[in-house]
Amino acid sequence: EPEVTQTPSHQVTQMGQEVILRCVPISNHLYFYWYRQILGQKVEFLVSFYNNEISEKSEIFDDQFSVERPDGSNFTLKIRSTKLEDSAMYFCASSVIIGPGSGNTIYFGEGSWLTVV
Amino acid sequence: TQLLEQSPQFLSIQEGENLTVYCNSSSVFSSLQWYRQEPGEGPVLLVTVVTGGEVKKLKRLTFQFGDARKDSSLHITAAQPGDTGLYLCAGAGGTYKYIFGTGTRLKVLA
Repeated sequence: EPEVTQTPSHQVTQMGQEVILRCVPISNHLYFYWYRQILGQKVEFLVSFYNNEISEKSEIFDDQFSVERPDGSNFTLKIRSTKLEDSAMYFCASSVIIGPGSGNTIYFGEGSWLTVV
Repeated sequence: TQLLEQSPQFLSIQEGENLTVYCNSSSVFSSLQWYRQEPGEGPVLLVTVVTGGEVKKLKRLTFQFGDARKDSSLHITAAQPGDTGLYLCAGAGGTYKYIFGTGTRLKVLA
């Protein structure tokens, strides 16, 4: 069964360093998402991406964050200068064509656990 | 701001008991999904409900979408230890995102 894959599974970084989290969405999917989950808290929407541009972003997704689809398969989340509060599990997700408004299924990766020290 | 509140937050029950988890909002959602999440893993989709009043069954799990599409419930019949996990509801908060609920952590004791 096709799945969303994420790398790395776990990264420890020093505060102020740049981090890039990578995702390979399911191959025929066109909508891509990043969510995060701080330990013990709920899953929070960060950004959605379609047709090589951001479709929607949350207030969490400030200027320190950026997303990119550098080639036909990868979808990346970059955090420019990490802060302690960026420590969380970051989930990539993808969906087929239409966004979730129509009940379309989105599929989540297993997450990248980021620890900022 | 669209919010989804789940209740209860924590639930510990004996194997064989029935339970219901609620997901409530003051906002209308065009669709709502239920996920189950294991520690250290991503959410795994259980079901999507789209129509107000819709009921879907997945083995011992019954999902209902409220008539006004503001709330949903998940009922588990004869719970088993394998049902243990974090249950999340998520509502379509627009065209391009889902808003997740606060979660219900279920533990089923053998």
